[in-house]
Amino acid sequence: SQQGEEDPQALSIQEGENATMNCSYKTSINNLQWYRQNSGRGLVHLILIRSNEREKHSGRLRVTLDTSKKSSSLLITASRAADTASYFCATENTGFQKLVFGTGTRLLVSP
Amino acid sequence: DTGVSQDPRHKITKRGQNVTFRCDPISEHNRLYWYRQTLGQGPEFLTYFQNEAQLEKSRLLSDRFSAERPKGSFSTLEIQRTEQGDSAMYLCASSLDAGVYEQYFGPGTRLTVT
Repeated sequence: SQQGEEDPQALSIQEGENATMNCSYKTSINNLQWYRQNSGRGLVHLILIRSNEREKHSGRLRVTLDTSKKSSSLLITASRAADTASYFCATENTGFQKLVFGTGTRLLVSP
Repeated sequence: DTGVSQDPRHKITKRGQNVTFRCDPISEHNRLYWYRQTLGQGPEFLTYFQNEAQLEKSRLLSDRFSAERPKGSFSTLEIQRTEQGDSAMYLCASSLDAGVYEQYFGPGTRLTVT
């Protein structure tokens, strides 16, 4: 079963705008990872944030983690049409080695 | 290109047939994972290996499913007596080890059972 949920389920924006996706989870974690998936293809790893970290950056991506609220957010700044994809958060839960994925956010960036 | 490869990329089979998928992880990675993804959902964990040892299997992995990683390198996932409900994308991932290492995914094998 899915660990939690991403919010919103779908997001439509214009190129140049920022996109924010949220992820909630249910149990204590070792780390949280964000992935991108283009339609019908494999997942591309974006960022890993450890449970003792609060914020992480990679290029146009910013991830925050609030373990007290069991939530994370992914911010994509200055979005491009090529950012159109589904975005998933996945948690590696304490005591387990597998990733538990959320339900995903479908992002559409229009030119 | 993540470095994890899967074969075949697509498989169409008739109900009741057996199918086998192959995954080649990134060469120095000790951990290998199998996930299944259905349309509109996130991937769901099936099983994982630490080198050649299979350490955990999901309840999703019925007795019709078997996975091996005989020499700690590539892995195979076999589904016997396929059912229409087995239609999904089967994803393989590998990581250097447990803990704070990223899992890198292959392109997946899309299985259609008719």
